[in-house]
Amino acid sequence: RKEVEQDPGPFNVPEGATVAFNCTYSNSASQSFFWYRQDCRKEPKLLMSVYSSGNEDGRFTAQLNRASQYISLLIRDSKLSDSATYLCVVIIRTGNQFYFGTGTSLTVIP
Amino acid sequence: EAQVTQNPRYLITVTGKKLTVTCSQNMNHEYMSWYRQDPGLGLRQIYYSMNVEVTDKGDVPEGYKVSRKEKRNFPLILESPSPNQTSLYFCASSSFLGEKLFFGSGTQLSVL
Repeated sequence: RKEVEQDPGPFNVPEGATVAFNCTYSNSASQSFFWYRQDCRKEPKLLMSVYSSGNEDGRFTAQLNRASQYISLLIRDSKLSDSATYLCVVIIRTGNQFYFGTGTSLTVIP
Repeated sequence: EAQVTQNPRYLITVTGKKLTVTCSQNMNHEYMSWYRQDPGLGLRQIYYSMNVEVTDKGDVPEGYKVSRKEKRNFPLILESPSPNQTSLYFCASSSFLGEKLFFGSGTQLSVL
């Protein structure tokens, strides 16, 4: 079983739409959570960390649900420039590793 | 500028010819790691290093070697590359495990 699972999409949404991605993790010892953004074949870049209380950065909101073992990313008022692959990342306390989901592809359409 | 420098950006080689991909960071980070990215499989960790002289296997270490003789450098070595190692490789570092990762710009490797 994969440590982190994501719906690969693709999600095709019109400009201005709200879109949400979920990511589930299997290990309850997971301690840190992130969302990264990756443009085609370029290096992933941190979008935001995910905190237990939930956090917001402009149009982006991240939430963590430890009971159900998932994290979510909400993008409001989608822009064309939001088109990318979004990766969820989990660190497991005992594993000394970052575990990546396979990514969710988003295309924002004019 | 704080960065992770990875070279080369593109590499084409033949089966069995030893190669090294270099990775260097200028942020005094403790943690460094290597990943390969393949379609449908996402990023998979090859090796990681918690600190100088401390390295450990990730999920897909077979066919790879690493060394961490200095804090800033973490080269990836393929002693005898094979076609199944054709992939996009990323080096990354963070101040310590639990903090965000900074990535190099990637190395597209093709083994013929």
